[in-house]
Amino acid sequence: DAGVIQSPRHEVTEMGQEVTLRCKPISGHNSLFWYRQTMMRGLELLIYFNNNVPIDDSGMPEDRFSAKMPNASFSTLKIQPSEPRDSAVYFCASNRDRLYGYTFGSGTRLTVV
Amino acid sequence: AQSVSQHNHHVILSEAASLELGCNYSYGGTVNLFWYVQYPGQHLQLLLKYFSGDPLVKGIKGFEAEFIKSKFSFNLRKPSVQWSDTAEYFCAVNGNNDMRFGAGTRLTVKP
Repeated sequence: DAGVIQSPRHEVTEMGQEVTLRCKPISGHNSLFWYRQTMMRGLELLIYFNNNVPIDDSGMPEDRFSAKMPNASFSTLKIQPSEPRDSAVYFCASNRDRLYGYTFGSGTRLTVV
Repeated sequence: AQSVSQHNHHVILSEAASLELGCNYSYGGTVNLFWYVQYPGQHLQLLLKYFSGDPLVKGIKGFEAEFIKSKFSFNLRKPSVQWSDTAEYFCAVNGNNDMRFGAGTRLTVKP
């Protein structure tokens, strides 16, 4: 089991550019979650999917953020245009069932300059 | 809506000291409770979880937690910490499969 796979591990981009973060959940897991971690705000749930359908996107900070899950094995989080305040570590997690807890990916450290 | 409070932001202990990290949650329904650990520069890893049954839950690396329903608490304990336990610890509550995390407690263990 390769775990939850995120790419890239690090991303440095200029303000105004589009950024796409990628996540491959564990096979057989039917829920996928995107979190953002910052020193100031801790771990924030941005959006989550169940069976590829977005269930709750109330944590998405603004319209510049969008997420998709076109199939059970892939999800993207896009920021367009990016701003310096978007700098954070973005984690993807997946689970099979609410009883099992989440398995987290290694995260993408995003720096917007 | 569910929420989690961790009252200790930074705890500093010497090796072999006992540890207790506080966690209180707010949720009106049945909850599942978790503790995660994040070592420096790494992702979150599950320490232990509570679903039902025995309120004293044992996890990995000698950690345990006690669910006290009347106090809405799920405190993490370890009898004797090691330098390698230096990390950030997150309590989490999962009511509707949208897990919410506390702000985290940074634990520093001095050798």
